[in-house]
Amino acid sequence: EIVMTQSPGTLSVSPGERATLSCRASQSVSSNLAWYQQKPGQAPRLLIYGASTRATDIPARFSGSGSGTEFTLTISSLQSEDFAVYYCQQYHNWPPLTFGGGTKVE
Amino acid sequence: EVQLVESGGGLVKPGGSLRLSCAASGFTFSSSAMNWVRQVPGKGLEWVAIIGIGGGVTYYADSVKGRFTISRDDSKNMLYLQMLSLTDEDTAVYYCAKKKVGTSPFDNWGQGTLVTVSS
Repeated sequence: EIVMTQSPGTLSVSPGERATLSCRASQSVSSNLAWYQQKPGQAPRLLIYGASTRATDIPARFSGSGSGTEFTLTISSLQSEDFAVYYCQQYHNWPPLTFGGGTKVE
Repeated sequence: EVQLVESGGGLVKPGGSLRLSCAASGFTFSSSAMNWVRQVPGKGLEWVAIIGIGGGVTYYADSVKGRFTISRDDSKNMLYLQMLSLTDEDTAVYYCAKKKVGTSPFDNWGQGTLVTVSS
């Protein structure tokens, strides 16, 4: 099983600032890495897939990078609607499909 | 517009059973692999099960293997999760999630249905 580890657990940032979230895989997942955003009371929403491709209707301030075992999600200028929990997920080697523990951006 | 609508959640006693449903619309259901993902309130996401095109291939998380069964009815655009021998560790919001066949992420999610296992 591929274990996904996200850091930090909580990230405190101000609107307009840059946010950088990290995700590490226990073994290579190539570029088969997705990022999801989840707001309170809502389902997760796909933000990034293929490590760096934005999903439909996702603003350009969200960007993903990395390959292999180290990945980063960057929000270039945080908007009020971006405060949420972010999860990474690998879909390279499954089952099981595995998620990181999440990073709360507050 | 893709829509996934779960139903069937509720309160069930330990050892009991429940069947969740997910009604799909807005895409070619029969061409999509479908999943169940759960989330204990306030905690992270846990993949539960996947069913491939035609229903011939299924995989489960170790935590539910032998107790849960995923199935689909392509004629009705419906996904199901039969849950048996429930324990309090199964208490969670259950989401159905669509993924394209092959190496792909979950590109659409339902709003979830809450299952509470408690005496």
